[in-house]
Amino acid sequence: AQSVTQPDIHITVSEGASLELRCNYSYGATPYLFWYVQSPGQGLQLLLKYFSGDTLVQGIKGFEAEFKRSQSSFNLRKPSVHWSDAAEYFCAVRGYNKLIFGAGTRLAVHP
Amino acid sequence: SQTIHQWPATLVQPVGSPLSLECTVEGTSNPNLYWYRQAAGRGLQLLFYSVGIGQISSEVPQNLSASRPQDRQFILSSKKLLLSDSGFYLCAWFRGFDTEAFFGQGTRLTVV
Repeated sequence: AQSVTQPDIHITVSEGASLELRCNYSYGATPYLFWYVQSPGQGLQLLLKYFSGDTLVQGIKGFEAEFKRSQSSFNLRKPSVHWSDAAEYFCAVRGYNKLIFGAGTRLAVHP
Repeated sequence: SQTIHQWPATLVQPVGSPLSLECTVEGTSNPNLYWYRQAAGRGLQLLFYSVGIGQISSEVPQNLSASRPQDRQFILSSKKLLLSDSGFYLCAWFRGFDTEAFFGQGTRLTVV
């Protein structure tokens, strides 16, 4: 069965600092992987996705993620965080008919 | 373009009352439809999904049920709400194996 682990429940960074959010997945075949962001009380917005090809994918808002099959990971990165990036971030893996999410990482940004 | 509508946005219901949340998709046909619940401080839990009219797959045993009476309509129901049913409910759809999921704006349900 597919599953997603996001080891960090909360992360706090200073504005302008770099960011890496961790995601590990479990899936028997080639995974389709996603990162979504959720602002308080809102729905989910897609940041980026990996289906195949280049293992480094670029997304919106300056985010990128790297797929590493050997580590079953799909970590999200941003070189310089803005205060508006404070939100909850979800990693997800797409199986045959299901989209399974991790527990999420809540990001706080200090000025 | 495709859009997904979910209502109501907020709902306060007493314990033991029934529930009906509706989700509709426009601009596509034969979508896969999903209901997720997000409890306070928790991630997104997949509750139900449907790949076609009348077809429902349940992911976790619970006090809720789902129905798909039309191709682009997905309904989440309960006969008697429990306090533990409180949460943020999200409807989502995707079509095709290589596409992302699109989400509604969610319903905040508070059972009192």
